[in-house]
Amino acid sequence: QVQLVQSGSEVKDPGASVKVSCKASGYTFTSYAINWVRQAPGHGLEWVGWIATNTGNPTYAQAFTGRFVFSLDSSISTAFLQISSLKAEDTAIYYCVRDSAAWFWGQGTLVTVSS
Amino acid sequence: QSALTQPPSASGSPGQSVTISCTGTSSDVGTYDYVSWYQQHPGKAPKLMIYEVNKRPSGVPDRFSGSKSGNTASLTVSGLQAEDEADYYCTSYAGSSYVFGSGTKVTVL
Repeated sequence: QVQLVQSGSEVKDPGASVKVSCKASGYTFTSYAINWVRQAPGHGLEWVGWIATNTGNPTYAQAFTGRFVFSLDSSISTAFLQISSLKAEDTAIYYCVRDSAAWFWGQGTLVTVSS
Repeated sequence: QSALTQPPSASGSPGQSVTISCTGTSSDVGTYDYVSWYQQHPGKAPKLMIYEVNKRPSGVPDRFSGSKSGNTASLTVSGLQAEDEADYYCTSYAGSSYVFGSGTKVTVL
């Protein structure tokens, strides 16, 4: 069965970086793009962007250009989201989502930015 | 890309129906039939309720239905039940990107 398993919660200092992983199984990894979605505490869902898993080409939403970087390691069917120069407002749950007619979601990774 | 517009709240008594609107533009909802709806209970991940405007994933009760007219999509929950109390979000494809709605809190009175 399709699974997207994300890495565990992270607590980081402001200014640090974090890398969240999303390991796919149960389907051909390069057949579907991976979206990233953010949900800050008490807020709604925001589309961060996506990465084409067959080419590695990323697309970022306007609000997430610069400090957010998507990458892949197709040999292990894993997508990554790296956020640099972390700010308190980056504190959120980050979800990876398989892009298909019916999106399939990972369990989410809580990133907490606090000194 | 601006968020899709949803009413902040909606409510109904058990057994009644509630309809949530999701208003976009001709660049997203109005052009593409890739509108999805998610239900989210506190502390839980979003759950897909409707995709491609009006399709229900396996396991979603047929009390949930979706539609679209022009730039506005709608989710109707018929025969409201206590467990339907949750936040609901719409999302639409917008041509090489996606956009989410602002979310609607549904209260079962």
